[in-house]
Amino acid sequence: NAGVTQTPKFRVLKTGQSMTLLCAQDMNHEYMYWYRQDPGMGLRLIHYSVGEGTTAKGEVPDGYNVSRLKKQNFLLGLESAAPSQTSVYFCASSYGLAGGLHEQFFGPGTRLTVL
Amino acid sequence: GQQVMQIPQYQHVQEGEDFTTYCNSSTTLSNIQWYKQRPGGHPVFLIQLVKSGEVKKQKRLTFQFGEAKKNSSLHITATQTTDVGTYFCAGLSRGQAGTALIFGKGTTLSVSS
Repeated sequence: NAGVTQTPKFRVLKTGQSMTLLCAQDMNHEYMYWYRQDPGMGLRLIHYSVGEGTTAKGEVPDGYNVSRLKKQNFLLGLESAAPSQTSVYFCASSYGLAGGLHEQFFGPGTRLTVL
Repeated sequence: GQQVMQIPQYQHVQEGEDFTTYCNSSTTLSNIQWYKQRPGGHPVFLIQLVKSGEVKKQKRLTFQFGEAKKNSSLHITATQTTDVGTYFCAGLSRGQAGTALIFGKGTTLSVSS
């Protein structure tokens, strides 16, 4: 099993450009999450999904959109990138609601720089 | 909303010394999880605590959940260089946006040999 994979690993964007980050998991997990990690800020939840076709906002959803068209995939979109979105993005998945007796499995991360 | 705070933010120890990180919540937690992130890596689940006053051990690591379920600690006995990394606690948050895990900002441990 590959676990949780993320594409791409690195990306540099110019302000105003758009991009999509792809997360895939092969563990048949219901729940998937997108976090951003900034120095000294820990992990902040952007959006999450409790199942195929459903999404919900997390702590810092502004400037991002997500889609969960297939159970195994969770996409994070930036429509108009801003320098404040420079960060490391982690995707995670879990069997049920994390914190509800289920651990989260994290992907390797995507390092995004917006110039 | 709920906040999960960790102290200290950074800790440097000599190899063989003990290390403790503390996690405090502004509200009662149904449970708490701990994760470790090695430099350049991704968070990896360590353990989950559910019961008030619960204590769990994993080799040199001891995890505690407070009686009031508003705080938790991770203690490492006789640190080794392999313990280097950032340790995060995470608690369940029930807010307007739904229910999700809220992470503390982490404690970064460095160990010198």
